[in-house]
Amino acid sequence: RKEVEQDPGPFNVPEGATVAFNCTYSNSASQSFFWYRQDCRKEPKLLMSVYSSGNEDGRFTAQLNRASQYISLLIRDSKLSDSATYLCVSGNQAGTALIFGKGTTLSVSS
Amino acid sequence: DAGVIQSPRHEVTEMGQEVTLRCKPISGHNSLFWYRQTMMRGLELLIYFNNNVPIDDSGMPEDRFSAKMPNASFSTLKIQPSEPRDSAVYFCASSSRTGGHSFYGYTFGSGTRLTVV
Repeated sequence: RKEVEQDPGPFNVPEGATVAFNCTYSNSASQSFFWYRQDCRKEPKLLMSVYSSGNEDGRFTAQLNRASQYISLLIRDSKLSDSATYLCVSGNQAGTALIFGKGTTLSVSS
Repeated sequence: DAGVIQSPRHEVTEMGQEVTLRCKPISGHNSLFWYRQTMMRGLELLIYFNNNVPIDDSGMPEDRFSAKMPNASFSTLKIQPSEPRDSAVYFCASSSRTGGHSFYGYTFGSGTRLTVV
């Protein structure tokens, strides 16, 4: 079983739409959680960390549900530039064992 | 900050040849990770180093793969002999903890796109 599972999509949305991604992780001992963004043929880049209390960064909101072992990412007012693959990540507290999901592809159109 | 630097960016080689991928982590980062990314399997951790010492190489596919980190500013991943199924993008990443606070994620290099024909 893959440790971090995501719906691969693609999610095709118009500009201005709100879109949500979920992922589940299997290791209940996981302590750190992130969303990374990866553009086509580029390296993954950290989008935001995910905390139990939930956190927001502009149009992006991340939530963690430890009981259900799922992580979510909400993007409001989608922009064309948000088109990318979003990778869900879980790991240990030390950050020495980050496990990446295979990613969810988002395509925002005008 | 120059970021994590990987070379070469692209490598095309014939089956059976030796391939060496190189990585320079961000100065001051004490952990270095090698990942491989394919469409089928996504990002897979191959090996990671902490303070130049290999800690976990359980992700290394087989004995054909080896990695070294002779000093804090340089690491190599070697494949000998290479096979077509090794074709993938190989990423190096580095990280650090900041003053004992929470871990802040990895910074990836631009990757090496390896094609073995």
